[in-house]
This record gives sequence, structure tokens and C-alpha cells, in this order.
Amino acid sequence: GAGVSQSPSNKVTEKGKDVELRCDPISGHTALYWYRQRLGQGLEFLIYFQGNSAPDKSGLPSDRFSAERTGESVSTLTIQRTQQEDSAVYLCASSPSGTGVGNTIYFGEGSWLTVV
Amino acid sequence: SQQGEEDPQALSIQEGENATMNCSYKTSINNLQWYRQNSGRGLVHLILIRSNEREKHSGRLRVTLDTSKKSSSLLITASRAADTASYFCATLRLNTDKLIFGTGTRLQVFP
Repeated sequence: GAGVSQSPSNKVTEKGKDVELRCDPISGHTALYWYRQRLGQGLEFLIYFQGNSAPDKSGLPSDRFSAERTGESVSTLTIQRTQQEDSAVYLCASSPSGTGVGNTIYFGEGSWLTVV
Repeated sequence: SQQGEEDPQALSIQEGENATMNCSYKTSINNLQWYRQNSGRGLVHLILIRSNEREKHSGRLRVTLDTSKKSSSLLITASRAADTASYFCATLRLNTDKLIFGTGTRLQVFP
């Protein structure tokens, strides 16, 4: 597609349920990032995928959070046993080959998660 | 904290005035980038400055970088109401591809 696509746009879930958030990066982009943004706050790094390398999971806040990526395409962020503190916008971004070579990253519109 | 700090947290100005936002960070970096966010959704890249550059311009935007002070500033000249948004700096740490964002500045430009 022309841009990074995320789904769902909005998700309301009950506390304790599992949720899956999907990200389709820009075609050909090898790098993919997930960030979390709570209301009125900055972006928290969650996880980074680059090609076939092992992902950088250093930002995942707990073992309830996991993410996978199929090759250099779709990624899924899974939150198990959701808590109210997980309510936030989850932003996905992709980059042609990582930002180390000076590339910028392109963001999707985010998935707004509300845990009630 | 993994985030940098930005100040001010919020800035209100009149159209035509200049807006200056500052960003400080903690570690050595490869480059620093500024992004804009409308309405709390996706971010849009504005400008990138490398660690060996001191100043960069793009249209009405001027970015400076002082690596000795680990700080950067974004200047928007002749602001417009359409510039109203949140602005974030992001740093790329050396030897990583992890882009770390600051806390952001909310800019309000009144017509």
C-alpha cells in the first residue's frame, strides 16, 4: 500500500481479555517499529524488527506484551490479559532499512485501545 | 527514562510570530529528527539533522544541534494557524536503530 496501515483503528476491550493489533508496513520497508503513546504523553518505544535479525524487544513493558513479524511484511502486537493501564494509542512505523543510514520512519495512524 | 525532554511542554503564540521548541537528550547520537503530530494520531517527519551538522533549514523550519550540550532546537518562523500540533524530537542512538522520542511540545497558533 501507499502508507503504513494499522487495524483496528479503535478497539474497546474488557479488562482481562487479549487483543491483537495489526500493522502493514510500506512495501519494501525492512524495518518496523511499535510505539505506545498514552494520552497527552510522548511515544514509548516497544519493539523493533529489522529484516531477519532478532527483534529488539527491550521496550516491551511486561511479558503480557509480544509481537511477531512475518518476513518483511505484516506485524502483530498482542497484549494478553489487558489492564486499564494498557489504554493508549499503539503506533506502528516502518523504514526502508532502519534509521542508521539516515532514513526517516513513516507512521501509521495508530490503533486506539481502551480497556474498560 | 528512555525519553528525552522537551520544553516548553506547551506554547501558545499568535500567527506571524516565531515558535521555538527545545529538546535535550542523554546519550550520544547518530542523528536527531523532528516530527509533527496532529490530533494524537500518526506522526509526520519534518527534518533530520546528523550529529556532525550544527544547523539545518527546510522552508520555515530551522533546526540546530549542539552535541556538546546534548540539545536541539526547532524554530518555526512566521507561524500559521495550521502549524498547531504537537512536535516531538527523536534521537537515534549510536550503533542502534532504535529511535527514541521526547515528551513533545504542544503548539497552539492563534489566528
